[in-house]
Amino acid sequence: SQTIHQWPATLVQPVGSPLSLECTVEGTSNPNLYWYRQAAGRGLQLLFYSVGIGQISSEVPQNLSASRPQDRQFILSSKKLLLSDSGFYLCAWNAGRENYGYTFGSGTRLTVV
Amino acid sequence: KQEVTQIPAALSVPEGENLVLNCSFTDSAIYNLQWFRQDPGKGLTSLLLIQSSQREQTSGRLNASLDKSSGRSTLYIAASQPGDSATYLCAGANDYKLSFGAGTTVTVRA
Repeated sequence: SQTIHQWPATLVQPVGSPLSLECTVEGTSNPNLYWYRQAAGRGLQLLFYSVGIGQISSEVPQNLSASRPQDRQFILSSKKLLLSDSGFYLCAWNAGRENYGYTFGSGTRLTVV
Repeated sequence: KQEVTQIPAALSVPEGENLVLNCSFTDSAIYNLQWFRQDPGKGLTSLLLIQSSQREQTSGRLNASLDKSSGRSTLYIAASQPGDSATYLCAGANDYKLSFGAGTTVTVRA
């Protein structure tokens, strides 16, 4: 069966520090991968998605970047965090076919202080 | 761009009452529509997936309908229990992406 792993679960970082969040999927190949952010009191916002290794689409211009160094690995990064980067970050995957649903990881709670 | 709206934003009911959660979307060219549950501080748990060719999907006490022509989906939860208290999110899939509503926060009072 397929599983998605996301870490760390919580993170407290000072303003201006770098960020790296990792997400991996097991039990499938060539998944579509996604990063979402949920800010306090707001809905889920799609940040990045990838339909293949090295291919990244950005939905919202911001202080963050994403990379997909391996087929089932998706990384969210920042060189210098801002206070506004605080939120709940969720990784998700999809089999890339229209009739498949999306599966989400357990999330990372990021607090920038 | 797909816009998803959920009404109401919050709902409080006594235990045993049936719940009706509404979702509307602007782009009817969705591949499918998915309902999720989110507990405080947790990730998303998929409840039901309705394909664009389907009219409804059922799992236990949950039933979701889909009307693409009117851009609406409804989640019904029968005989609610305190354990059903959570935020429920609907999301439409278009163009490799999932667009979410803001959610309906449900409280079931014992």
